[in-house]
Amino acid sequence: AQKITQTQPGMFVQEKEAVTLDCTYDTSDPSYGLFWYKQPSSGEMIFLIYQGSYDQQNATEGRYSLNFQKARKSANLVISASQLGDSAMYFCAIQSDFNKFYFGSGTKLNVKP
Amino acid sequence: GAVVSQHPSRVICKSGTSVKIECRSLDFQATTMFWYRQFPKKSLMLMATSNEGSKATYEQGVEKDKFLINHASLTLSTLTVTSAHPEDSSFYICSALPRQGNLRDTQYFGPGTRLTVL
Repeated sequence: AQKITQTQPGMFVQEKEAVTLDCTYDTSDPSYGLFWYKQPSSGEMIFLIYQGSYDQQNATEGRYSLNFQKARKSANLVISASQLGDSAMYFCAIQSDFNKFYFGSGTKLNVKP
Repeated sequence: GAVVSQHPSRVICKSGTSVKIECRSLDFQATTMFWYRQFPKKSLMLMATSNEGSKATYEQGVEKDKFLINHASLTLSTLTVTSAHPEDSSFYICSALPRQGNLRDTQYFGPGTRLTVL
């Protein structure tokens, strides 16, 4: 069974500052993928970043980086230099061996000008 | 990039009617598609896995007779909400797994369909 936990229902960050969104997971699969998606009010799911369970280095994609601590089963998303357009819901997801995605409850990020 | 479309984007129907939602992969073939349901301000919940040419597999607690899934081709999966009731009102999102691809970006999401049952 897979489980994703996001403990921050809402977060505020000042524009241009960095913010960390927490994600912990639990899985019995020996290999798995961890994803972060952004969902603006329009509803579309926008892929942000991916981390494979066997990747040695933390993933980075532009202003997004993933702080992957396998022993602690955490995969926190770090957004640097926040922009007003970053305001949205953010979901962490784990991909099982059968390619199924299981999502966390999400974090609503509000970027303040 | 890979594009997945959903039709309709929004539908309002009367209680008791059936509603069909289409999910298409526009520029790639998808042997597997997934259907999710999302309540307001909630997470996406996986409903079922749709496999081309075979029966869909449903997650625990999802009524297969209520939510009919047909994956007739490598680019099209449909979700039919039968005898819809107000509690079926939700945001339905599909995703498609390319026939060939690496692990990253494995699933491509559609823009979603908002169903409102009166």
